[in-house]
Amino acid sequence: AQSVSQHNHHVILSEAASLELGCNYSYGGTVNLFWYVQYPGQHLQLLLKYFSGDPLVKGIKGFEAEFIKSKFSFNLRKPSVQWSDTAEYFCAVKSIPGTASKLTFGTGTRLQVTL
Amino acid sequence: DGGITQSPKYLFRKEGQNVTLSCEQNLNHDAMYWYRQDPGQGLRLIYYSQIVNDFQKGDIAEGYSVSREKKESFPLTVTSAQKNPTAFYLCASSSRRAGETQYFGPGTRLLVL
Repeated sequence: AQSVSQHNHHVILSEAASLELGCNYSYGGTVNLFWYVQYPGQHLQLLLKYFSGDPLVKGIKGFEAEFIKSKFSFNLRKPSVQWSDTAEYFCAVKSIPGTASKLTFGTGTRLQVTL
Repeated sequence: DGGITQSPKYLFRKEGQNVTLSCEQNLNHDAMYWYRQDPGQGLRLIYYSQIVNDFQKGDIAEGYSVSREKKESFPLTVTSAQKNPTAFYLCASSSRRAGETQYFGPGTRLLVL
């Protein structure tokens, strides 16, 4: 069965520090990749996604992620975090072919940004 | 204003009781999903439906049931057979037109009394 690993469970950074959150998946075929963010008290919302093409994708709020097929990774990055980036971040993978839009989620990384 | 609504925001269940969580979408999406979110475990798929009157079990379907009588609605019933129902339940929907990206509702927190 497909699995998604997010090795960083809780990350604490100071404002303006750089961020990289790891995401690795187990499926060896074609995948669609997603990062979702859940701000405190808010909906889970899409941060960015990769379907095909340029492996470096840019999302909202200055986030980007790089798909490295050889490493089965899709790490999330931001050059300079803000206090408002405090949230929980989830990586998700859809295998192609697969059942509709069935996603497999990682366990999430809680990011805490201090002033 | 398009989106996904879930009600109620909080729900309390007594031992042995069935409860139903509501999920409605006005995005005209074909597919709908139910996830359970527990601390440190991410989101786990309970049931999903790709089309009206059809649904499939996800990874943790035991103790849950669903129906999909209308495109807009996908209610989830947490039955008394679910021994550990306390969790945050998220509904999502997607469509091929939207690139199969899943969009989520605000969630329902279920607590057992």
